[in-house]
Amino acid sequence: KQEVTQIPAALSVPEGENLVLNCSFTDSAIYNLQWFRQDPGKGLTSLLLIQSSQREQTSGRLNASLDKSSGRSTLYIAASQPGDSATYLCAVSTGQAGTALIFGKGTTLSVSS
Amino acid sequence: DTAVSQTPKYLVTQMGNDKSIKCEQNLGHDTMYWYKQDSKKFLKIMFSYNNKELIINETVPNRFSPKSPDKAHLNLHINSLELGDSAVYFCASSPMGLAGGSRYEQYFGPGTRLTVT
Repeated sequence: KQEVTQIPAALSVPEGENLVLNCSFTDSAIYNLQWFRQDPGKGLTSLLLIQSSQREQTSGRLNASLDKSSGRSTLYIAASQPGDSATYLCAVSTGQAGTALIFGKGTTLSVSS
Repeated sequence: DTAVSQTPKYLVTQMGNDKSIKCEQNLGHDTMYWYKQDSKKFLKIMFSYNNKELIINETVPNRFSPKSPDKAHLNLHINSLELGDSAVYFCASSPMGLAGGSRYEQYFGPGTRLTVT
């Protein structure tokens, strides 16, 4: 059974720091991995999707990497800003019909000015 | 021009009532989903539909019944509501459903916060 773990559960950093959020999954047979952002009381915003054949994806200050064989992904945020404060969720697709996402419990990031 | 929309945004109701949550997507996607986010913020799949056909039905009480009148809509009806049903319910859609989908990014709606008293 696929399980997704995110470490750390919470992270506080001062503005301007570069930081890394970690995601691990138990079954390397994934189709893709998606990183989301969730603001309090809001829905999920897709940040990056990495297909199983890819090693990384970049969008602005965000860079996500994928090492499928070791069951790991990282989300790198450069030059963090207070507006980056949110919960970041990692999710993998199982490849089953309907392609349901299996989520980690998230990392809550707080960036202070 | 909202991509995935849900109504209502908030729903407060009493135990034993029956309620529905509606979801619509204007992205032309084939597959739609319902996820539940519990009080600990953990998101879990409930159902998925591909072209109006039920694909995934996780271990969900049969008081929950999804209905897809067409490809763009997936509604969730809940009978005999219980306190434990209080959660945030998210609808999502993706452009591909069945096998072969390496690029099927999921897009989520804003969520419906259900409170059962």
